[in-house]
Amino acid sequence: AQSVTQPDIHITVSEGASLELRCNYSYGATPYLFWYVQSPGQGLQLLLKYFSGDTLVQGIKGFEAEFKRSQSSFNLRKPSVHWSDAAEYFCAVVPFKAAGNKLTFGGGTRVLVKP
Amino acid sequence: EPEVTQTPSHQVTQMGQEVILRCVPISNHLYFYWYRQILGQKVEFLVSFYNNEISEKSEIFDDQFSVERPDGSNFTLKIRSTKLEDSAMYFCASGDNEQFFGPGTRLTVL
Repeated sequence: AQSVTQPDIHITVSEGASLELRCNYSYGATPYLFWYVQSPGQGLQLLLKYFSGDTLVQGIKGFEAEFKRSQSSFNLRKPSVHWSDAAEYFCAVVPFKAAGNKLTFGGGTRVLVKP
Repeated sequence: EPEVTQTPSHQVTQMGQEVILRCVPISNHLYFYWYRQILGQKVEFLVSFYNNEISEKSEIFDDQFSVERPDGSNFTLKIRSTKLEDSAMYFCASGDNEQFFGPGTRLTVL
């Protein structure tokens, strides 16, 4: 079945440590790929996106993500987390590459940051 | 920087009542969307809207739901007769290949 999977429901990381959040998708063709962040009680903010081209994309707040076609993955990384990075992170795809198509979201990964 | 806005931020209603959730998309966007997120669950697509008509809807979006663009700026989601299970955060979004989300309306059905 077509889906977006975030294998980790919760991740706890120390402030200053690196962070990697996993995302896998199962679609026949490479979809458009996105990462969103949701702080408590807030809406969804776009961190970064991948449409085509360079497989390493840079986003806001020091985040980056790498698209790996062979693994159907689009993992999010940050070299050094800050306490303000505590939030829930959602991977999302637009399976059929055309304007106006719906986003399909993964289940989310909640990140806790220890002092 | 332009942003999507939503009102109200929180709506409490009695089961069976009608609610209208309002959104103002980013002005030059052509595609508008509603999503919902039940507490603790993933964000789910409800409906997309383009050129004054629904372009796609999910199985969640049954006859109890409707959307409208009553004027040049607002985009509304109406739930005719709310059920307990409609309690969720409702997000409006606008955009083409990239979607920008509003802050959400938390709907509580009692």
